[in-house]
Amino acid sequence: EIVLTQSPGTLSLSPGERATLSCGASQSVSSSYLAWYQQKPGQPPRLLIYGASSRATGIPDRFSGSGSGTDFTLTISRLEPEDFAVYYCQQYGSSPLTFGGGTKVEIK
Amino acid sequence: QVQLVQSGAEVKKPGASVKVSCKASGYTFTNYYMHWVRQAPGQGLEWMGIINPSGGSTSYAQRLQGRVTMTRDTSTSTVYMELSSLRSEDTAVYYCAREGLSGSLGYWGQGTLVTVSS
Repeated sequence: EIVLTQSPGTLSLSPGERATLSCGASQSVSSSYLAWYQQKPGQPPRLLIYGASSRATGIPDRFSGSGSGTDFTLTISRLEPEDFAVYYCQQYGSSPLTFGGGTKVEIK
Repeated sequence: QVQLVQSGAEVKKPGASVKVSCKASGYTFTNYYMHWVRQAPGQGLEWMGIINPSGGSTSYAQRLQGRVTMTRDTSTSTVYMELSSLRSEDTAVYYCAREGLSGSLGYWGQGTLVTVSS
């Protein structure tokens, strides 16, 4: 099973700042089948990025994904108030599908 | 528009079983795989398994093998997840999620809280 490790666990930033979230895989993620999700309290996760770098429908362009192999990054160029949430990476290239432990982006 | 509507919250005793439903609408039910993901209180996301609504084939997370069963009813566009021999550690919100873009989980149900308590 591919283990995904997200860092940092918590990111304390102010609105307008840039957020950089990392996701490391224990093995190479095939064909960049790596997704990022945003989750707010009491809500299901929301797909942001698929295929490591493609934005899902309706996702603002301040969200971008990059990386391949074992190292992936989600960047939020300028944090808006609604971006403070928990973010999860997920690989769906091999079974079982696995999720990272999450990064909480909180208001500083 | 795609909608996944799940059944309501459940409270079960240890050793019992629970069956959660997920009714799909807004697309051709048999064209997309459906996953189940759970989230214990304050914890991360755990993948439970997948069902092909077309043929009914399934694949489950190894740690749940023998306790989880996923089925579907094509006449009502509904998938079901049944978990047996419940223990306190199974207390969680259970989500159904439809595959979308290249296999990622593009659509999610609202979640069903299952509480296991004596």
